[in-house]
Amino acid sequence: SAVISQKPSRDICQRGTSLTIQCQVDSQVTMMFWYRQQPGQSLTLIATANQGSEATYESGFVIDKFPISRPNLTFSTLTVSNMSPEDSSIYLCSAGGGGTNEQFFGPGTRLTVL
Amino acid sequence: SQQGEEDPQALSIQEGENATMNCSYKTSINNLQWYRQNSGRGLVHLILIRSNEREKHSGRLRVTLDTSKKSSSLLITASRAADTASYFCATALRGGGTSYGKLTFGQGTILTVHP
Repeated sequence: SAVISQKPSRDICQRGTSLTIQCQVDSQVTMMFWYRQQPGQSLTLIATANQGSEATYESGFVIDKFPISRPNLTFSTLTVSNMSPEDSSIYLCSAGGGGTNEQFFGPGTRLTVL
Repeated sequence: SQQGEEDPQALSIQEGENATMNCSYKTSINNLQWYRQNSGRGLVHLILIRSNEREKHSGRLRVTLDTSKKSSSLLITASRAADTASYFCATALRGGGTSYGKLTFGQGTILTVHP
């Protein structure tokens, strides 16, 4: 199983600022994903982080708001831009999956926007 | 429409009892995975069941999958207070292309096990 770490684990930010979340996997993986979990809700997929190409975003999420980088097979970043209180959520990255493979998750980043 | 609906939304039991959570979905899947989340932390992977499997066990966990009914259940036997958490099912759609690897999560079941 893949071990995934995220930084920061939590942050409190001011409205209008941006935060970049880092995700590190302990092994090379083809697939990495970013999810959002709003308070009291389930997880919603933001985008698939593709190595060497632009991320693929789900409906309702756009690159200008959530730019993603994937410079290699073990690392990805998600930036939450121009934040508002509605962006207060837990952001989780995951790796693996596809076919019959398990998908593993990082510990999440708890973001509070004031 | 939501892929992956779970019931019950909340379940409260005593230690030693069994807990059963159900998950329904709407489209053909490649596999279904169950996760546990403690107090808003990261997700812990519990078990993956493939679309051609009907039952799978892991320790005190038993998962069933009925593709004809598009439903799955997670049974935790002899529950412990430490099992208190939210439990989510997630489905991986069949097929490749842009859907490959993506998971769609159910709304989750909040399980409380009283000592």
